[in-house]
Amino acid sequence: QKEVEQNSGPLSVPEGAIASLNCTYSDRGSQSFFWYRQYSGKSPELIMSIYSNGDKEDGRFTAQLNKASQYVSLLIRDSQPSDSATYLCAVYTGTASKLTFGTGTRLQVTL
Amino acid sequence: KAGVTQTPRYLIKTRGQQVTLSCSPISGHRSVSWYQQTPGQGLQFLFEYFSETQRNKGNFPGRFSGRQFSNSRSEMNVSTLELGDSALYLCASSLYRQSEQFFGPGTRLTVL
Repeated sequence: QKEVEQNSGPLSVPEGAIASLNCTYSDRGSQSFFWYRQYSGKSPELIMSIYSNGDKEDGRFTAQLNKASQYVSLLIRDSQPSDSATYLCAVYTGTASKLTFGTGTRLQVTL
Repeated sequence: KAGVTQTPRYLIKTRGQQVTLSCSPISGHRSVSWYQQTPGQGLQFLFEYFSETQRNKGNFPGRFSGRQFSNSRSEMNVSTLELGDSALYLCASSLYRQSEQFFGPGTRLTVL
């Protein structure tokens, strides 16, 4: 079982719709969770961090964390073509505190 | 505040050579982590440095090494380059361990 799992996609959503990206993790002791956006040919950019169960909102982005079910999700409201990118879920895992990344979900926002 | 910088941005080397990559973290950040990114394997953790000490190491051969200086700047070295080492090498800095990591632009290494 991979430590952090994401559906590779592509996830295609029409402009203006809500994009829902999901991530599951295996280390039940994980405490810190992050979402990064990576455009093709660029480095990852941090867009959200979440540490407690529940929702955290920042503009059009909402991160959701459920530690009991070991999943974290990212909602993007009013999706724009500029949101088309790969979204990486990252989790600090293990006592060694290593940041482990999922393989990413490619999002395509269509006109 | 300036972001994470990495030099050089692009490198072309041949098999058997060695290479040194440099990373300057965000001012005040003390932790630096290195990652290798390839299309097939995604982002793979190489190592983490904090206060000039390696705190974590990923599953890479000993040809990959690194260090951190007293000003938190970090270097990584790859010796005896192989074709499979062609990748984007990313450095990320964070204020302290287990905090948010911010990535530099990366160094794209091509091994011929």
